[in-house]
Amino acid sequence: QQPVQSPQAVILREGEDAVINCSSSKALYSVHWYRQKHGEAPVFLMILLKGGEQKGHEKISASFNEKKQQSSLYLTASQLSYSGTYFCGTDTGGYQKVTFGIGTKLQVIP
Amino acid sequence: NAGVTQTPKFQVLKTGQSMTLQCAQDMNHEYMSWYRQDPGMGLRLIHYSVGAGITDQGEVPNGYNVSRSTTEDFPLRLLSAAPSQTSVYFCASSYTPGQPQHFGDGTRLSIL
Repeated sequence: QQPVQSPQAVILREGEDAVINCSSSKALYSVHWYRQKHGEAPVFLMILLKGGEQKGHEKISASFNEKKQQSSLYLTASQLSYSGTYFCGTDTGGYQKVTFGIGTKLQVIP
Repeated sequence: NAGVTQTPKFQVLKTGQSMTLQCAQDMNHEYMSWYRQDPGMGLRLIHYSVGAGITDQGEVPNGYNVSRSTTEDFPLRLLSAAPSQTSVYFCASSYTPGQPQHFGDGTRLSIL
């Protein structure tokens, strides 16, 4: 079952912050975050394993609430290069059977 | 190191034709997956494999077959193409669960 992402789309001005949420109806082994630019393959951002950890990657970080089966991706001080569609993927069984949400289209404008 | 290689990059088929989308990786990854991407639908899992000789269905397996005879290759077969299978197909591989999936560049398939 696909995880649910919100919002579906967001427009930011350079320097603004954004949060993208991902929720699942099933217990999660891991949450995967990817960014995809138009016409390209998805690019890995980070993975969070069950345990409620938070990870960071440049100005992008994420949290994972195992009890609520939710993850959030935080983008701070957004740059034009952050534009793209962000996907969260979830693995419920630990077999790397990763299903993705429909994505959040993020546009950063000057 | 080529990573994940998908061939062909583009293909046009007629309804009812068969074809195989190729996926090869040179990273000795055990786990491989096929996804299709359609506008507004995100990435949907078609089939996946946890190692040579072991495959399982994903969310949208109907109309597609897979096999995994070697660690390196994971071909996706369309036995009788239908217009509803027009899509962009991505292959991905990873070393173990909890590790990043590496995606190929995709195959853009149109079925008339």
